[in-house]
Amino acid sequence: GAVVSQHPSWVICKSGTSVKIECRSLDFQATTMFWYRQFPKQSLMLMATSNEGSKATYEQGVEKDKFLINHASLTLSTLTVTSAHPEDSSFYICSATTSGVSYNEQFFGPGTRLTVL
Amino acid sequence: GQNIDQPTEMTATEGAIVQINCTYQTSGFNGLFWYQQHAGEAPTFLSYNVLDGLEEKGRFSSFLSRSKGYSYLLLKELQMKDSASYLCAVRPNTGFQKLVFGTGTRLLVSP
Repeated sequence: GAVVSQHPSWVICKSGTSVKIECRSLDFQATTMFWYRQFPKQSLMLMATSNEGSKATYEQGVEKDKFLINHASLTLSTLTVTSAHPEDSSFYICSATTSGVSYNEQFFGPGTRLTVL
Repeated sequence: GQNIDQPTEMTATEGAIVQINCTYQTSGFNGLFWYQQHAGEAPTFLSYNVLDGLEEKGRFSSFLSRSKGYSYLLLKELQMKDSASYLCAVRPNTGFQKLVFGTGTRLLVSP
């Protein structure tokens, strides 16, 4: 099956610093990648949708200047949390989809746990 | 707006059958997915429904009624490893294929 990786798997940072999370599709070309945030015991909340080579589409209420998304190639998307604060602590999950799959299902990465002190 | 509801928690015993319901009200409909998620891990795909009816896949089956905005995931012959959260997700339109996730149902399987 299609494999999506994320790096790092966990990160702890100080308040005010920026953190970059990478999402890679390892064995397929991802036409679209999605970024989700998940707080403890809650479901996944879509933050933004990105297509390779174009600007990300952010969901309502998500600050695009705070959560910078770059989708520079068909196998890599990055999410940068700028000036992180404790309330940004969460589980960040990316997913990728490709037009070659019949359901166009999303393949999820293993997630990145961010803790901001 | 988009609204997808699931029960918060369910419990069942090993070997039993459990049905997890999902009701949705979305701006459009282009398919419904069920995912399994173990704590601290990424969701894994279980099933997909776009037409009314039942889709069976081994111990797992999923049903859809578009007119009622309703789906359920049926798990048979429960095993301890089935203890996880089960997420219902709707794809509202044919655009960027984004998914809207439900609240998730935590299932606890006991011996």
